[in-house]
Amino acid sequence: GQSLEQPSEVTAVEGAIVQINCTYQTSGFYGLSWYQQHDGGAPTFLSYNGLDGLEETGRFSSFLSRSDSYGYLLLQELQMKDSASYFCAVRDQDSSYKLIFGSGTRLLVRP
Amino acid sequence: DTEVTQTPKHLVMGMTNKKSLKCEQHMGHRAMYWYKQKAKKPPELMFVYSYEKLSINESVPSRFSPECPNSSLLNLHLHALQPEDSALYLCASSQVASGRSQFFGPGTRLTVL
Repeated sequence: GQSLEQPSEVTAVEGAIVQINCTYQTSGFYGLSWYQQHDGGAPTFLSYNGLDGLEETGRFSSFLSRSDSYGYLLLQELQMKDSASYFCAVRDQDSSYKLIFGSGTRLLVRP
Repeated sequence: DTEVTQTPKHLVMGMTNKKSLKCEQHMGHRAMYWYKQKAKKPPELMFVYSYEKLSINESVPSRFSPECPNSSLLNLHLHALQPEDSALYLCASSQVASGRSQFFGPGTRLTVL
């Protein structure tokens, strides 16, 4: 089967840098995506890594190592508004429409 | 227009009621999705429509009935729901067969009494 693991909760201070890790198990790999979801809100697509390396989008970066079945989301210059849940996701090996989500990491940014 | 809209935002219904959730997108996406999300859990896929045809049904009970009238609209008809069906129902859309990014609507918070 396919599965993703990520920490359930991370706490960091405003202005700091935080890294949210995601390890995955899948026989067919088509890239790793990241979504942000604020309480009561909708998931919002943040980034996608199809190849190894770092993708940067403003304060957010995402990294992928296919050989290690591992990726992370890096958030820099943390702001209070970054407090949210973050989900990593991979495409289902049998269906190009289906995303398999990790259980989510709840990030709490403290002043 | 780069958003997915959903109505209503909140819905309270009894177990004998019939109601419908609506979703609309104007991004030209030909794949549309219904997800169910419980508190502190990831979204769970329910249905996928591709080119207005039902492509995936994740063994969802028949009290949930999806409909895709055209490429921009997606409905979810609800009938005889159970209290455990109370959840956030999310609609999403994507380019066809995109395992990369899906665009989610704000969701309908459903409470079944």
